[in-house]
Amino acid sequence: RKEVEQDPGPFNVPEGATVAFNCTYSNSASQSFFWYRQDCRKEPKLLMSVYSSGNEDGRFTAQLNRASQYISLLIRDSKLSDSATYLCVSSRGGGSYIPTFGRGTSLIVHP
Amino acid sequence: DTAVSQTPKYLVTQMGNDKSIKCEQNLGHDTMYWYKQDSKKFLKIMFSYNNKELIINETVPNRFSPKSPDKAHLNLHINSLELGDSAVYFCASTPQAAGETQYFGPGTRLLVL
Repeated sequence: RKEVEQDPGPFNVPEGATVAFNCTYSNSASQSFFWYRQDCRKEPKLLMSVYSSGNEDGRFTAQLNRASQYISLLIRDSKLSDSATYLCVSSRGGGSYIPTFGRGTSLIVHP
Repeated sequence: DTAVSQTPKYLVTQMGNDKSIKCEQNLGHDTMYWYKQDSKKFLKIMFSYNNKELIINETVPNRFSPKSPDKAHLNLHINSLELGDSAVYFCASTPQAAGETQYFGPGTRLLVL
């Protein structure tokens, strides 16, 4: 079983739609969680950190459920420019930070 | 004013050759990483250095040898290249080795023929 699992998609949605991605992690010792965005043939860039209390940044909301070991990302009012791959990341602590990336969920927003 | 830079951007080479990829960050970060992203898009950590010291080595073949001459540079040397080494290699850095935002370089696309 992979340490971080995501549905690869693609999720194909119209502009203005709300779309949600889930990600599960297997290591209960994971301490930090993030969502990254990766555009085609580009490097990953941080979208947002994920906190236990949940956090929101404009149209994006991230949630963490430690009991069920999953992380979610909600995108409201999708824009064409949201088309990208969204990577879920969990990291183990214990003295050295070892980030584990999911394989990403592809989002295509169409007119 | 590039934060994390890598050279070269593209590398096409024959099987069996030895090649190096260089990475530099001007963010003043203590920790640097090498990742491999294969054709299935999995981004997998290979190595991490904190202040020039190796802190993570994720079961990478010993044909891969990282070198950190100072904390702003982390180079990757690959001996006896194999077809399966074809991938995009990303360098990244974080302020400290403790669960913080990773800043990635633009990637080096390696194709082994």
